[in-house]
Amino acid sequence: NAGVMQNPRHLVRRRGQEARLRCSPMKGHSHVYWYRQLPEEGLKFMVYLQKENIIDESGMPKERFSAEFPKEGPSILRIQQVVRGDSAAYFCASSPQGSNYGYTFGSGTRLTVV
Amino acid sequence: QKEVEQDPGPLSVPEGAIVSLNCTYSNSAFQYFMWYRQYSRKGPELLMYTYSSGNKEDGRFTAQVDKSSKYISLFIRDSQPSDSATYLCAMTSNQAGTALIFGKGTTLSVSS
Repeated sequence: NAGVMQNPRHLVRRRGQEARLRCSPMKGHSHVYWYRQLPEEGLKFMVYLQKENIIDESGMPKERFSAEFPKEGPSILRIQQVVRGDSAAYFCASSPQGSNYGYTFGSGTRLTVV
Repeated sequence: QKEVEQDPGPLSVPEGAIVSLNCTYSNSAFQYFMWYRQYSRKGPELLMYTYSSGNKEDGRFTAQVDKSSKYISLFIRDSQPSDSATYLCAMTSNQAGTALIFGKGTTLSVSS
């Protein structure tokens, strides 16, 4: 019974490139959350999605960041024209329904912008 | 004032000690309180979940919530080297999938 799968585990991008982070939720989970963890900072909420629907994107930067969770396939967090400040660990979590305690987190994608 | 304050530590204790980890918060609307454990280079793992005020015990772990003081605690009894990790408190006001607000985490080291 696989948990939340994130890939890649590590991603290196040059400034100005695009970064695509993938998240496959646990089987039976239809709700996905993305969080970002900056060095010396706590986890910060970015976006909450259901299949084909963004429920809450109040934590997403207004520019360059987007997220989707299509009917088929993983959820994608996309960062366009990356800058050094985007270097962080990005965590995805999933739950079977809207929940604030039943989160299961993946192991994260560590993005380094050089 | 930040919504959730947590002393980052590091906190170092000998094996077998009782550990107390704490968070304070400012938003009186918070109703759901959680503690996560995060090992290095891993994702957070839910340890304890509490609704509103009171205590909850699970094995060596006890979570306490004091809403009147806006203060939550996690106690670890008989600490083990395997408890060495970063502990994150998290909280939210609404059950329907709203964002969790996390503390910065406290790094704990238990020496054998």
